[in-house]
Amino acid sequence: GQQVMQIPQYQHVQEGEDFTTYCNSSTTLSNIQWYKQRPGGHPVFLIQLVKSGEVKKQKRLTFQFGEAKKNSSLHITATQTTDVGTYFCVGGSYIPTFGRGTSLIVHP
Amino acid sequence: GAGVSQSPSNKVTEKGKDVELRCDPISGHTALYWYRQSLGQGLEFLIYFQGNSAPDKSGLPSDRFSAERTGGSVSTLTIQRTQQEDSAVYLCASSRLSGFVDTQYFGPGTRLTVL
Repeated sequence: GQQVMQIPQYQHVQEGEDFTTYCNSSTTLSNIQWYKQRPGGHPVFLIQLVKSGEVKKQKRLTFQFGEAKKNSSLHITATQTTDVGTYFCVGGSYIPTFGRGTSLIVHP
Repeated sequence: GAGVSQSPSNKVTEKGKDVELRCDPISGHTALYWYRQSLGQGLEFLIYFQGNSAPDKSGLPSDRFSAERTGGSVSTLTIQRTQQEDSAVYLCASSRLSGFVDTQYFGPGTRLTVL
């Protein structure tokens, strides 16, 4: 079945440093979504990418969808303590498949 | 309603007992999803409803798990003869459109503890 691998599992950064999480699928994805889950909270939708090679930005967050639609990345510039949480990529053509998530820890 | 609601928020039960978890999706949302999240883990897909029907039940861990949705709205996830490994947070999400093409809105989850 479809698998969505996400790395790294954890990332510690100093406030102000950049952060990137990567997502790779074993199969071509029709689209990919990114969610953020704060500690003790539930996942909250960030963005959806549909087109091959698509790049979208939300303030300090940059999302990319690979040309082959098998990989994606989320990059955060100049992290802040409010960025703390677990970031999940979700791929699928019919049934959503969550990556394991990358937990971001920001040290002030 | 303002968002997806789930009840109860916490459930502690004894091994072997049955439990029923409830999800109230956002009004008008066609698709409804159930997930399970163990401590520090990602989300494990359980089942998906398109309207009242469940096209894919392959994510359910065992035949002790079942789910239904009535009136295209409320859904219940039932776990029979609970086991300790069933302990997890059970999350429900709904989306306006079916087929994983739309934003999923998550409920706060039900934390299930099986003693």
